[in-house]
Amino acid sequence: EDKVVQSPLSLVVHEGDTVTLNCSYEVTNFRSLLWYKQEKKAPTFLFMLTSSGIEKKSGRLSSILDKKELFSILNITATQTGDSAIYLCAVEGSGNTGKLIFGQGTTLQVKP
Amino acid sequence: DGGITQSPKYLFRKEGQNVTLSCEQNLNHDAMYWYRQDPGQGLRLIYYSQIVNDFQKGDIAEGYSVSREKKESFPLTVTSAQKNPTAFYLCASSSGTANYGYTFGSGTRLTVV
Repeated sequence: EDKVVQSPLSLVVHEGDTVTLNCSYEVTNFRSLLWYKQEKKAPTFLFMLTSSGIEKKSGRLSSILDKKELFSILNITATQTGDSAIYLCAVEGSGNTGKLIFGQGTTLQVKP
Repeated sequence: DGGITQSPKYLFRKEGQNVTLSCEQNLNHDAMYWYRQDPGQGLRLIYYSQIVNDFQKGDIAEGYSVSREKKESFPLTVTSAQKNPTAFYLCASSSGTANYGYTFGSGTRLTVV
């Protein structure tokens, strides 16, 4: 059975801290791994990763994929209160259906 | 502007009633998806459709039904057979693969009263 597991499930930090969110997966015929940020309602797209070892960056956020060890991390440096959200990891597996398997999400709270 | 619209934003249902959640997109996307989100459980796939007049069950399809009569529309009916329907429901669309990520609607929060 395909599975995506995120850790930690929740995290409280102070502004300026650096956080690392983890995502491990067991998926048949891996195609891609995606990260989303969900603040109130609709998740918004952050990164899509398909190749091992290639870091993707967007401002203070970065992510990398390890296809040998079957995990990805999302780093956020110099956190701000606006980074408070649920971070979702999702994996697209086999079948070319486009359907994503989501992890449980990590709830991040950044305190001033 | 192109996007995906869900309605209503909030919905209350009495036990034993069927309710239908609307999802409309004008992105010309072929594929559409319905997910359910419960606290601490991430998103779970209910149904998906890759093409008009065709759809497949996801992981938690029991108690739900869908139709895909038009490319733009993918309504979800929560039937009385769904024993625990209180949740946040998200609709999404994509061009057919997840290569560029999904576009999500803003969700419908369904509460059984």
